[in-house]
Order: sequence, then structure tokens, then C-alpha cells
Amino acid sequence: NAGVTQTPKFQVLKTGQSMTLQCAQDMNHEYMSWYRQDPGMGLRLIHYSVGAGITDQGEVPNGYNVSRSTTEDFPLRLLSAAPSQTSVYFCASSYGEGGSHGYTFGSGTRLTVV
Amino acid sequence: AQSVAQPEDQVKVAEGNPLTVKCTYSVSGNPYLFWYVQYPNRGLQFLLKYITGDNLVKGSYGFEAEFNKSQTSFHLKKPSALVSDSALYFCAVRPNSGYSTLTFGKGTMLLVSP
Repeated sequence: NAGVTQTPKFQVLKTGQSMTLQCAQDMNHEYMSWYRQDPGMGLRLIHYSVGAGITDQGEVPNGYNVSRSTTEDFPLRLLSAAPSQTSVYFCASSYGEGGSHGYTFGSGTRLTVV
Repeated sequence: AQSVAQPEDQVKVAEGNPLTVKCTYSVSGNPYLFWYVQYPNRGLQFLLKYITGDNLVKGSYGFEAEFNKSQTSFHLKKPSALVSDSALYFCAVRPNSGYSTLTFGKGTMLLVSP
């Protein structure tokens, strides 16, 4: 049981480049979320999904897009990378009534935008 | 809107001594509360959660947390700290009804000295 798998683990982008961070879970969880972690700021929610075909914005959605075509996958797209998007990105999934069972996290993607 | 405060950026204790990591929260209605731990260069791992029932919740690795509704607190405790407990600890909250994403505190670094 792999849990939540994120790829790549590390990435360096130039300003203006686009890329997709991949997230896949094999636990049949309904709910998936993307967070970014910055020093001294904890985890901030970027986008989330309550099921295939349904996504919504979190606290810091600007500059990011998501889609959820299947239950398993929830990719995060950076449209035009900026240095402010240098961060560690975590994908998480959850289940239960309204996602009440808490999150299972991936191991993260460390992104540097130069 | 829900929020979490972790008032201490860092907590230092000696091995064998009891430890407390503080968390207070704000949420509409009753809360679901969670503690997660993050070791260096790793994703977040679930420690324990409060959903309902007994105010004292026991979790992984000998940790426990006490839910105090009147003080809106959910402090993490351990009777005897280990050097291997040194890590970053996050408290998180969500309402106990419907679907909601988790809101995280900024994290508290626990340092346990030998």
C-alpha cells in the first residue's frame, strides 16, 4: 500500500516556466488537498477536492490550477512560476464523513524557482 | 473562519522530562482536532485526533493530548521525552460537521537534549 505518492521530490524552475506536480493515492480516498509549507507560516491550503470532477480554492490559490479527473490523481499545475512559489508542496488525502479521519500526507516536493 | 495558534516557536526539554506543546483553536461549532509530527525532510505523520468523547486522547509514540473546551485548547503532552521526539509538531482544526479542510498552526519545534 503506497499511500500518497508525490513526484518529483525536487525541482528547480526558471521564472516563467510551467510545470505539474503529481499526486496519486491508492487508498480510494474521496478528499484530496494541496498545501504549501513555508518557514514560520505552517501549512497553507492551495486547492482541494471533495471527489472526482470537483475542486475548490483554498487560502492561497493564485498562480496554481488543479483538476481531479479520477479519484486517484490530483495534479497541481504552476502556470508561470515565480520566485514567491519557492516552497515545499504537500499533497494529502482523507476519508470518512466529511473527511473526518484526518489526512495522509505525501512526502513532499521541494520546489525552487530561480 | 477557523484558526489555530501555537504560541511557542520552539520548546526545549531534557530527555526523560515531561513535555508540553501548546495549541489553542477557534472554530464555529464543535471541533475535530489533530496533531501531526514532521521529521526533517519528511512529510507530516498523524499522531492523534480528538473527535468526541474522552477529553484525554492517546496517540502514537506515547503522546497524548487533552481537549479543553472552555479554554479552546488541545495541548500535546508526553510524560517522558526522548531525543528521537525532536521534530516539528503541528496542531490542526476543522469543524465537526460537513466537509472541511484542515487549518494548521505554524508549528512548534521540539528539541529534546540528551
